[in-house]
Order: sequence, then C-alpha cells, then structure tokens
Amino acid sequence: GAVVSQHPSWVICKSGTSVKIECRSLDFQATTMFWYRQFPKQSLMLMATSNEGSKATYEQGVEKDKFLINHASLTLSTLTVTSAHPEDSSFYICSASRTASSYNSPLHFGNGTRLTVT
Amino acid sequence: GQQVMQIPQYQHVQEGEDFTTYCNSSTTLSNIQWYKQRPGGHPVFLIQLVKSGEVKKQKRLTFQFGEAKKNSSLHITATQTTDVGTYFCAGPQGNTGKLIFGQGTTLQVKP
Repeated sequence: GAVVSQHPSWVICKSGTSVKIECRSLDFQATTMFWYRQFPKQSLMLMATSNEGSKATYEQGVEKDKFLINHASLTLSTLTVTSAHPEDSSFYICSASRTASSYNSPLHFGNGTRLTVT
Repeated sequence: GQQVMQIPQYQHVQEGEDFTTYCNSSTTLSNIQWYKQRPGGHPVFLIQLVKSGEVKKQKRLTFQFGEAKKNSSLHITATQTTDVGTYFCAGPQGNTGKLIFGQGTTLQVKP
C-alpha cells in the first residue's frame, strides 16, 4: 500500500524558533498533499493544500506567513512553523492522495509530528 | 458551511459487546470515507462508500451509506481490545477535493 513518511515524529523547540516538518510519499507521486492539525482528543482540521509546482492553498484562519508550505517535488512537501509560540503546540499530520484530490481517493497519512513549543 | 457530525463522542463497551458510531452530513456527499486512529497514532483508511444505500463488510466491521447519501454508520460486532481507537468519518467538501472530518468517536473496550 501507499506509504507516507513524515519527519520528525516529535520536536521540542523554544518560543520564537522555526521548525520544519517534512512529508514524503515513498512509493507514489503526490501532486497534492494535505496538512492537518489535531489538538488532543479533537478531530483533524485541514490547514492547507500543498500543490506541487504552485502555491499552497490555505484554509480560512490559517496564517500563510506563519505556516510556510513548500511542495518541492512530486514526493516531498514541507511545512515550516515560523516563530513558533506555545499555542502552536499540536500534532501536525500530512497526507497524500494518489490522485490530484482526495475527492474519490483515500488519504494516506504520515505518522504525524508532535510539536511542543516551550 | 458544510459540516460532518459524529455521535457519540465516546463509547465504553465490554469486550464482546457491539459498537456503532453514526455520521451525519449537512450536505449530500458523493462518497464517505472511514478512518481509524489508534491512540498516539495517525489515521488509517478503512473504507470508502460511494453508492446510495451501500453496505460493505470487513470481518466484524459493517459500514453503511444512507439512501440520501447524507449519513453513514460503522458497526462493530463483538468488539475486541484491538478495536480501541478513534473512528472518523470524512466526506468531500463539494468539488474542492478536500476531506471534511467528523469529530470522531473514541472507542474504549474493557477486557
């Protein structure tokens, strides 16, 4: 089955620093990747749609200058949390679909990154 | 905006008992997907339903898609401790290609 690798699994950083999270599709090419955020015991909230070769599409209320997304290739998308603050502490999960959208294809999720900002 | 609601939020059952979670969308869905997230893990795709009234089974799990394609259910027969986790339904947001997730139902199974 499709495998999506996410790195790092967990990170602790100081307030004001930036953190980069990588998401790779290992055995398929993903023209589109999705970045989700999940708070404890809550659902997955879509943050942005990452498109290879073009700018990411952000959901309402998500600051694009704070959460920088770069879809460098068909197998790699990165999310950078800039100038992180404690309220950014969360579980960030990337996902990818084999098709250009998740409309009719299942999503394959990475293992997630647990970010703690102190 | 489009909403996907799930009930119950939590369910505690004795091992061997059955379990059902219900999913309701505010709009008609072209398809519905179900995911399972184990504690500390990431969501894993279980199944996709496309047709009105569709019923699919995976061993002890039975998935249904309503006739109006606005609701769905997941039923687990004779739960086991390995069934523990949070079950999410998700439906596409219009033609955007984005999936909207329900709040999830967290299942606890007492051995």
